[in-house]
Amino acid sequence: KAGVTQTPRYLIKTRGQQVTLSCSPISGHRSVSWYQQTPGQGLQFLFEYFSETQRNKGNFPGRFSGRQFSNSRSEMNVSTLELGDSALYLCASSLGTSGRARNEQFFGPGTRLTVL
Amino acid sequence: KNQVEQSPQSLIILEGKNCTLQCNYTVSPFSNLRWYKQDTGRGPVSLTIMTFSENTKSNGRYTATLDADTKQSSLHITASQLSDSASYICVVSANPPGNQFYFGTGTSLTVIP
Repeated sequence: KAGVTQTPRYLIKTRGQQVTLSCSPISGHRSVSWYQQTPGQGLQFLFEYFSETQRNKGNFPGRFSGRQFSNSRSEMNVSTLELGDSALYLCASSLGTSGRARNEQFFGPGTRLTVL
Repeated sequence: KNQVEQSPQSLIILEGKNCTLQCNYTVSPFSNLRWYKQDTGRGPVSLTIMTFSENTKSNGRYTATLDADTKQSSLHITASQLSDSASYICVVSANPPGNQFYFGTGTSLTVIP
């Protein structure tokens, strides 16, 4: 069974631009969660989608948004990029909603975003 | 305030030795606690998931313990191998009003020959 895939793996953008990241979950998984990871802040939760609905959201500004399609694939969008948005963006998929202990999360390799 | 603190921040051990990583949390109400291993440049991989009623859970050479009364967890690695060199992250999930995750900043483990 293929794992979680994320595209692109690396991205370089300039301030003010917008970016869209893509995540394909493991087949059969209906939940996709997004995380930001930086050396200073560690892992931070962005949002979770389950069956095309946002189920939970972290404390990030409205510039960060996402969506999930009927095939469970998910995209994350960041508008008006800032230097501080440079980070590794990880997505994770699970069968059901990620907070429940029985739903193990499987992470993708991440997208490394650099904002210049 | 809901927080997760891990110690030590970094650790260097000799191959073959055992080690224990600590995770203290103040998250309430508690749902479950997870340990992840993250190799450099890769996404985290789940090691264990424990609920309130579980005290110990093993995954090969990794054994996690949970004391819900003192809000402490530990991850014990037995007979370390070079491939254990990674960052180990403790994550606590709270439940209402929706699933919330609280992350530790991780322990960086280096195993040397």
